[in-house]
Order: sequence, then C-alpha cells, then structure tokens
Amino acid sequence: GNSVTQMEGPVTLSEEAFLTINCTYTATGYPSLFWYVQYPGEGLQLLLKATKADDKGSNKGFEATYRKETTSFHLEKGSVQVSDSAVYFCALGPDAGNNRKLIWGLGTSLAVNP
Amino acid sequence: KAGVTQTPRYLIKTRGQQVTLSCSPISGHRSVSWYQQTPGQGLQFLFEYFSETQRNKGNFPGRFSGRQFSNSRSEMNVSTLELGDSALYLCASSSGGATGYEQYFGPGTRLTVT
Repeated sequence: GNSVTQMEGPVTLSEEAFLTINCTYTATGYPSLFWYVQYPGEGLQLLLKATKADDKGSNKGFEATYRKETTSFHLEKGSVQVSDSAVYFCALGPDAGNNRKLIWGLGTSLAVNP
Repeated sequence: KAGVTQTPRYLIKTRGQQVTLSCSPISGHRSVSWYQQTPGQGLQFLFEYFSETQRNKGNFPGRFSGRQFSNSRSEMNVSTLELGDSALYLCASSSGGATGYEQYFGPGTRLTVT
C-alpha cells in the first residue's frame, strides 16, 4: 500500500544554516504531496503542497519539489531561523487506492539554535 | 473564516472513565477527521466523518467512537479509558469534495489519563 518515509530526527541546526528534511513515498498513481508543520503546543498547519510531478511548493522560504523519478518530496530552506523550530510532517494525499485518507510520515523535529 | 475549534483544550480523567471531545470545523467544511498523537506512535488516524457518515476508519479498538451532526460538528468518545489513551487528540476539517482533502487542524485536546 501507499506509504511515506521521513528522515528521523531530531535535527539540530544553527540559525542561518541550510535545512533539508528528506521524505520519500510509495504510491500507486500520482497523489498530491504535502508538508505540514506543528509548532509547540499547537495543531498542524499546512506549510506547502504539490499536486503533480515536477511541481514545486513553496511558502515562508521553504520549498519542496515533487520528484516522480526518485519518489521524493524533500523539504528545504536556505537559511533557518529560531522561529522555524517545530515538528515537520510529510503527507501523501489520497488516490484511488486509499479511500481518501492522507498517509502521514512520523514527523521530524527541528531545533534551531541562535 | 474562523478556524477549527476543539473543546476542551485540556482534560484529566481516571482509568475506566469515559470522555467526549468536541470539534467544530471550518464553516462550509463537511469532512472531519480525528487523529491521536503520541510521542512514540506519531500521528495515528482514528476516523473520518463526512456528511454525518463515517467514511474512513483507522485501526483503533471499539472503545473509540465518533459521530457527526448535521451542522458538521463532530464528537469523539472514548469509553473505559486506559493509561495508554493519554495523548493529544487532533481534529482536522476539509471540504471533503473530489479534490478537497487538504486538511486544516485544530489546536488539539490534551487528554491525560491517571
């Protein structure tokens, strides 16, 4: 069945460092892909999405490209800030095979130090 | 538009008791999904309701149940609470249509079972 694999955390970076959080997927068809972010004490917020191959989602300086050939959707940011400290979740959208459910990665915790 | 609201935000219960959590989705959204989030298990899908009918169900015991009302508000009930039910319970709403599976989360209800 469909699945999502995220790199394990925690990831600890210094402010202004480059960030990559890896996400790979297994899916039948070409479902949409999402990155969600959860700040401490809050629910999840949609960060960005891509709906088809080669699409690039971007928001708040974060980017991710839907790569069909490598079945990946890695999250990147060129210069992280302390305020980016949060847990990041990769999610696979529904397709004909999974009854309209989102499939979630386990989350990657990011801590950014000043 | 008002966001997804969940009540109560915090709850402390004793083993064996039951609990009811409430979720009000974004106005116009007809789909409500419930998730359990724990440090060890990540984000676990409980069930989804769409137009008052359960459309999807995760792998949780029958002690976990839910319902949705005609105004799309949803409740989740857990009977005979166990210590392992301590978690953050998240509700997410979406429009639920053919492409409306982008989910918007509430802040969660933190349940502690003692």
